[in-house]
Amino acid sequence: DSGVTQTPKHLITATGQRVTLRCSPRSGDLSVYWYQQSLDQGLQFLIQYYNGEERAKGNILERFSAQQFPDLHSELNLSSLELGDSALYFCASSELAGESYNEQFFGPGTRLTVL
Amino acid sequence: DQQVKQNSPSLSVQEGRISILNCDYTNSMFDYFLWYKKYPAEGPTFLISISSIKDKNEDGRFTVFLNKSAKHLSLHIVPSQPGDSAVYFCAAISGAGSYQLTFGKGTKLSVIP
Repeated sequence: DSGVTQTPKHLITATGQRVTLRCSPRSGDLSVYWYQQSLDQGLQFLIQYYNGEERAKGNILERFSAQQFPDLHSELNLSSLELGDSALYFCASSELAGESYNEQFFGPGTRLTVL
Repeated sequence: DQQVKQNSPSLSVQEGRISILNCDYTNSMFDYFLWYKKYPAEGPTFLISISSIKDKNEDGRFTVFLNKSAKHLSLHIVPSQPGDSAVYFCAAISGAGSYQLTFGKGTKLSVIP
């Protein structure tokens, strides 16, 4: 158990809909990362938050957005869903986002299926 | 454009033998490399890492080798055990700032008893 929790574990929805994925980082971790794992693309970095502020953006679509709340949990919002958004979405957390690498601990993921 | 490539989707090895997983990268700005291990229905778990200033890092049965000139790294597992059966991801970081991981697509290792 990494200490990172993600809810829900599974989500099935229809095209055009909007969903919210939730992540609670390990106790004390200030940095949260979101990754998408699709069948043909592997794990891809989406976005990072550090202590409530956006720190870096990767290949995140404009239809997707995220935020990190004062209690440090994070939510990833996916809207106008398309079939191609079906994937595993992982959240990871690390202690800092400073001058050196801090190990990222991954949650178990949320499997999103868009029908 | 895949900056981190794992060209072998799968690998089967007999228990007790050596497993060698390979990874190539194209981005010369990468300066820190990691291997993650993933079991089904779980998130990736950090296994071992290496800085670009080194060419080898060892941790128990796991050794990672880095060849910067060839932009190639490999993970050696000796001896392989059935519990090592998992998907192994190679990942890289390009320095100060965000530390987002750039992953390869993974290699599924099966260790046969």
